[in-house]
Amino acid sequence: EVLLVESGGGVVQPGGSLRLSCAASGFTFSNYWMNWVRQAQGKGLEWVANIKRDGSEENYVDSVKGRFTISRDNANNSLFLQMNSLRAEDTAVYYCAGQSRGGSFSVIDYWGQGTLVTVSS
Amino acid sequence: AIRMTQSPSSFSASTGDRVTITCRASQGIGSYLAWYQQKPGKAPKLLIYAASTLQSGVPSRFSGSGSGTDFTLTISCLQSEDFATYYCQHYYTYPLTFGGGTNVEVK
Repeated sequence: EVLLVESGGGVVQPGGSLRLSCAASGFTFSNYWMNWVRQAQGKGLEWVANIKRDGSEENYVDSVKGRFTISRDNANNSLFLQMNSLRAEDTAVYYCAGQSRGGSFSVIDYWGQGTLVTVSS
Repeated sequence: AIRMTQSPSSFSASTGDRVTITCRASQGIGSYLAWYQQKPGKAPKLLIYAASTLQSGVPSRFSGSGSGTDFTLTISCLQSEDFATYYCQHYYTYPLTFGGGTNVEVK
């Protein structure tokens, strides 16, 4: 069974930093493109970033470029999101999500349960 | 960025109803479209990918159609467990984007 478990969420002040982690199990992690998707309270889903199987390619939504960095550790089946210069509008539940079916443009088919990030003074 | 527009944003329905949700892309995306179901406090669940392919384990009352810019999700006979919010999402190019969601409520 594919299992994705996020951690690292919490309350941080505007301008601060936070690092999210996602522990993967039940599948060959290095075979999957991995993503972060976020959802503000009562709002819709927003794709944030993804990373290629070997970590050689990263893609980001414009609103986080230069502030967030996605990375992975295939040896330890882990995905990360380093978030710097946080803003109030980054407040959301952050989901770790995987693409099992192929390359860059394939469907996101596995999701974790999410971790809440709150940016507030 | 490609804009995904869902309609309606919400509506009320009864168990047994046939339900259709539409999703329009601001430019052609071929069949690079997925549909997700989300219940309060839960992660999204994949229902349909490649516009019309049913994800394993998803009941056959769910179906998807369309290509290019116009897509539909149909629930042939609404069940109690289907009351939820539904999202379309393209994976044609970056950034990946989602529709605003359609909340299916109990009438």
